[in-house]
This record gives sequence, C-alpha cells and structure tokens, in this order.
Amino acid sequence: SQQGEEDPQALSIQEGENATMNCSYKTSINNLQWYRQNSGRGLVHLILIRSNEREKHSGRLRVTLDTSKKSSSLLITASRAADTASYFCATAITDSWGKLQFGAGTQVVVTP
Amino acid sequence: DGGITQSPKYLFRKEGQNVTLSCEQNLNHDAMYWYRQDPGQGLRLIYYSQIVNDFQKGDIAEGYSVSREKKESFPLTVTSAQKNPTAFYLCASSQTGGLVTEAFFGQGTRLTVV
Repeated sequence: SQQGEEDPQALSIQEGENATMNCSYKTSINNLQWYRQNSGRGLVHLILIRSNEREKHSGRLRVTLDTSKKSSSLLITASRAADTASYFCATAITDSWGKLQFGAGTQVVVTP
Repeated sequence: DGGITQSPKYLFRKEGQNVTLSCEQNLNHDAMYWYRQDPGQGLRLIYYSQIVNDFQKGDIAEGYSVSREKKESFPLTVTSAQKNPTAFYLCASSQTGGLVTEAFFGQGTRLTVV
C-alpha cells in the first residue's frame, strides 16, 4: 500500500468555503510535502513541512504535521474555482535517502 | 527558462515494442525520478537516480529500464516485458544533500498501447 494515504478521496465545495484534507503515513519521515495536480498535467509543489515543525502557512494554505499520529492536514481557506485540482501528500522517508513516496490524492472540486 | 521537459506528450506503442520516454532538466539537480500514474491510484515510483551513472529501482521497476549518462537527462525505456504499460508517466528532479527538497515535475507523457 502507499506510504501516504489521503482522506477524503474526493471533496466538493463552493467558492469561499474552506477545504481540508488529511494525509496519514506509516514510517519515520524527514519531511512531508503537498503537491497539486491539474487534470492531465504535472505536479506542482505547494508546501514542505519538516519533521520538527508542527504548522506552516503559505498564502491561503495551512499545513499541520503530527508526527506522533503520523498524520498531516492541508487546509485551503476561502477556496476559488481555480483551486479545483487533485492534491497529493508526499513523504521523504528517513531511511530511504529521502526519496519521495506519494499517496493516491484528494480530488477537490470548487464550484462557483 | 529553468525547468524539466518531457517528450513526447502522447505516445502510442504496439504490443511487443520497446519505447523510450525522454526527460531533460536544466535545473542543475542531481536527483531525478520516474513515476507512473494510473487513474485513481496516485504516483508510484519506477526508478530514481541520485547522481550521474547511478540509479536505483523503485517500487515497480519490472519491465522498465533507465540510464543516467548525463546530469541533465534521465530517459525511461518501457520494454515489451511490461505487461500493462498504458499509463501517465511523470519525470521529476530535485536537489540532493540527504534531505529531499521540493521536486519539480515535467508535464508528463501519456503512453497508450494499441
């Protein structure tokens, strides 16, 4: 199974609402990253949080990390139609040189 | 502009043929990766390379081969041994140093077996 698993698999919200998605992982990590993918395109890096950090902000994005629970959450505030995409968490595993392992993603649809 | 380029965007392969997907980066990154993406399954790691002339198998390397003769290039060959090659293939690169920083992705190659 995947190292990172996102929840929910899909999320539908209206513009202006907040979107929250979660990621759980299994092994010790150096850092956890969130990426965004528009349909049929490559992934774009959003934010990286290191294992010794608990929260990080970037614009309308807020990421938390709880290493005791091996979980992370991504919050997108005041969502826009342009936020419609799939969102993936990726973990840099401690004993694997740091190669990235991705989850299956959360598909977010924001309706105007 | 700095970036990572994959070609072609679409590729069709007949049964029994080998095909090679191109990946070039001008970001001066040491590390490069190949991922496969199937619908609803996220990304799975095929091969990765930490440095020129070195590469390691990922989680689903069977039926694939790579080379890393130049820092800028990491081509992926999908061989006839890969029984279900139809998928979206993504190449990525990142700086090394022990801790992986952000990865930069190409726009992908969609491979279809006909």
